[in-house]
This record gives sequence, structure tokens and C-alpha cells, in this order.
Amino acid sequence: KAGVTQTPRYLIKTRGQQVTLSCSPISGHRSVSWYQQTPGQGLQFLFEYFSETQRNKGNFPGRFSGRQFSNSRSEMNVSTLELGDSALYLCASSQTPNTEAFFGQGTRLTVV
Amino acid sequence: GESVGLHLPTLSVQEGDNSIINCAYSNSASDYFIWYKQESGKGPQFIIDIRSNMDKRQGQRVTVLLNKTVKHLSLQIAATQPGDSAVYFCAENMIGYSTLTFGKGTMLLVSP
Repeated sequence: KAGVTQTPRYLIKTRGQQVTLSCSPISGHRSVSWYQQTPGQGLQFLFEYFSETQRNKGNFPGRFSGRQFSNSRSEMNVSTLELGDSALYLCASSQTPNTEAFFGQGTRLTVV
Repeated sequence: GESVGLHLPTLSVQEGDNSIINCAYSNSASDYFIWYKQESGKGPQFIIDIRSNMDKRQGQRVTVLLNKTVKHLSLQIAATQPGDSAVYFCAENMIGYSTLTFGKGTMLLVSP
């Protein structure tokens, strides 16, 4: 069974640009969550989706948004990129909320 | 490889020793706890979980202990191997939510 797949693995963007990251959960998993990981702040929750509905959102500005499709795949978008958005963005999937969550390898975003 | 964190607490052990990694969690309402292992350049990997109605759970070479009175979680790794070298995170969440709140992490270094 394939794991959580995140694309792309690496991205370099310029300040002010926008970016879209993709996450394909494990087959059969309907819950997808996104996290940002930086050396200074550690792992911080961005959003959680279940059955195409955003159930919870972390303390991030409105430039960060996401969505989930009917096949449970999810995307997150960051607009007007800032240098501080440079991070590893991780997606986790689980069958339902509050069950075992499995992470993808992440997308390493560098903003220059 | 990419760094997952700077200035992390570090535990250095010899191969074959038993390792104990500790974590203090923050929310007394949390009822589900997970330990993750993260190797350089990879996403967090699920190790073991425990629900609040238990105080101990064992897996293969790993044991998690939960002390709800003092909000403390520990991960014991038996016969530690060089391949166990990684950053270890504890995470907590509440019933019905997939939102994980992560600890800062501990770096485990295993010398042959």
C-alpha cells in the first residue's frame, strides 16, 4: 500500500510569488492535516480536512489556505510568499480524525 | 541531510544500551499520544501510540509510558541500534480532532 505522497519534494520561489503544494493520502484515508516545520518553531499545525471540509485551522495568516477534493487528495496554497515561509511542509493522513496519522516526506519550500 | 531542528536536547547512548526519551505534554484534556521518529530529510514516522485509558503500551523494542497525573510521556527503546539515531517527537491530541500538538523533539545519537 502506497504511503502519503507529497509533490513536489523541493521548491524555490521568490518573495511575493504564490505556491501550491499537493498531498495524496494513503488509499482509504479521508482525513488530511498539514504542518509547517521550521528549526525555530518546530512542527506547527496548519489545517485539517475531513471529507472535503476544513475542520480546524492553526494560527497562520490568511495567506495560507487549503482544500480537499472528493478523492481525499489535498492541496495547500501560500500567496504573497515571505522569506519566513521557508520551511518543510508536511502532510499527514489518517482514516478518520484522532486515529493513527502517517506523514509524507514533505515539501521543502525555500523563499528567496 | 536537512536539519529538522537546532538546539534540540540530545541523548547520546552506546549501541545496545536502553534509551529513555521524555516528554511533558501541555493539555490535560489530551487523550491520545503518539511518538514519532524523524530522520534527516524525511517526514515523521509513526512509532507507537497510547490512549489516556492506558498507562503503558509495548511494541517491538519500544515501550511508551503515560503518567497523566504529571502530564508526562516517555519512550523507552530497548537495545538501541545506530539506525535508531534520529529526532524523536511526542505529539498529543484530543478526541475527535486530528490536530497534533508536537513537542520540541529530542535528538537521539547512537554510537556503535
